[in-house]
Amino acid sequence: QLQLQESGPGLVKPSETLSLTCTVSGGFISSNYYYYWGWIRQPPGKGLEWIGYMHSSGNAFYNSSLKSRLTMSVDTSKKEVSLRLSAVTAADTAVYYCARYDGSVSQGVFDYWGQGALVTVSS
Amino acid sequence: DIVMTQSPLSLSVTPGEPASISCRSSQSLLNSYGYNYLDWYLQKPGQSPQLLIYLGSNRASGVADRFSGSGSGTDFTLKISRVEAEDVGVYYCMQALQTTITFGQGTRLEIK
Repeated sequence: QLQLQESGPGLVKPSETLSLTCTVSGGFISSNYYYYWGWIRQPPGKGLEWIGYMHSSGNAFYNSSLKSRLTMSVDTSKKEVSLRLSAVTAADTAVYYCARYDGSVSQGVFDYWGQGALVTVSS
Repeated sequence: DIVMTQSPLSLSVTPGEPASISCRSSQSLLNSYGYNYLDWYLQKPGQSPQLLIYLGSNRASGVADRFSGSGSGTDFTLKISRVEAEDVGVYYCMQALQTTITFGQGTRLEIK
């Protein structure tokens, strides 16, 4: 059974860079042409916001509202997916979820999710 | 970006009664293969979202058959035939037609 686990600092200062890692177990990151590795966030008490996703080949798609501050990477040897969001403000405070996206023609779903990591932006 | 609009935003249902949630998209979600790229997710209290329905009407593995999805183009509906206590949470629709994915605002279901 595929499992995803987010990790990283729970507190980040304004204007600094938020960094999170998603560790994948029970499967391979590069196992399928259609699998992308994505991030979704949820501010406290609010809805879901797609951040972006990336294939192990390096092909990536980002939310246009975050693109200028966003970097994602995939390390297939470590089975890790990373997220870096620069110049954070209080508006970036949220639970950050790592999830696998199946982009095959007959799917288009986030089928596996991590438990989520709360990141608070505060001085 | 495609805008997803759900209604109602909250719902209070007696156990055993049906429930229905609407999701409308600002553009058609029907692609050239004939698939509607519309998914439904349920986020139970304190949990990560879980996939319920994909491609508008297909139940994900392990999802109870009291859940059903319908619709095409820009109008979609999630129906629960008989609500149970374990169905409480927030339901989200999500479009996957475009590579820039967007979610609806969410609909909170509570039990009366």
